[in-house]
Amino acid sequence: DVKVTQSSRYLVKRTGEKVFLECVQDMDHENMFWYRQDPGLGLRLIYFSYDVKMKEKGDIPEGYSVSREKKERFSLILESASTNQTSMYLCASSLSGTARVTGELFFGEGSRLTVL
Amino acid sequence: GNSVTQMEGPVTLSEEAFLTINCTYTATGYPSLFWYVQYPGEGLQLLLKATKADDKGSNKGFEATYRKETTSFHLEKGSVQVSDSAVYFCALSTNSGYSTLTFGKGTMLLVSP
Repeated sequence: DVKVTQSSRYLVKRTGEKVFLECVQDMDHENMFWYRQDPGLGLRLIYFSYDVKMKEKGDIPEGYSVSREKKERFSLILESASTNQTSMYLCASSLSGTARVTGELFFGEGSRLTVL
Repeated sequence: GNSVTQMEGPVTLSEEAFLTINCTYTATGYPSLFWYVQYPGEGLQLLLKATKADDKGSNKGFEATYRKETTSFHLEKGSVQVSDSAVYFCALSTNSGYSTLTFGKGTMLLVSP
């Protein structure tokens, strides 16, 4: 089974702190994604990566950056956390070229971040 | 741009009731359409999909038909169970560019015994 593991289920940080959210997948997938999920807004794409060291902005990249140094790991970075970044963050992965047809993204369980 | 509109929830049903969750979309070209489900405390998982007009996706008793003329992909189940309580997301993927999905806002389903 494909497994996408997010390092922290729950985090509490203070405004201005630097925050790292880590995601690891074990199925050699080329594509990796970071979404945030908010009530009434659904899922919104922050960044995605289709290869090591490659990254593309999603719909809401402001205030975030990402790092993909190894194929299996995709990190989301909040350089200076703010209260409006309190949210559930979901990591996902997929095989290259197939998601357009199969649509199968494999999701982690999510990281709930609270910024005080 | 692409967008997905779902009916707002929560949808509250008794066990064995009939379920419909409406989904309509706006997209350029010919998108593929999907339903994902998120059970409490878990990530999303693919429930069913349809890749061209008039296709019917089905899984676990759920069905949805890709209707190009009405740009819709409504989710249905003939008899819901308590274990179907979850949040359901409609999504689309266009056949151009990268393999990203556009999601609707989600519809919570609550099924009581």
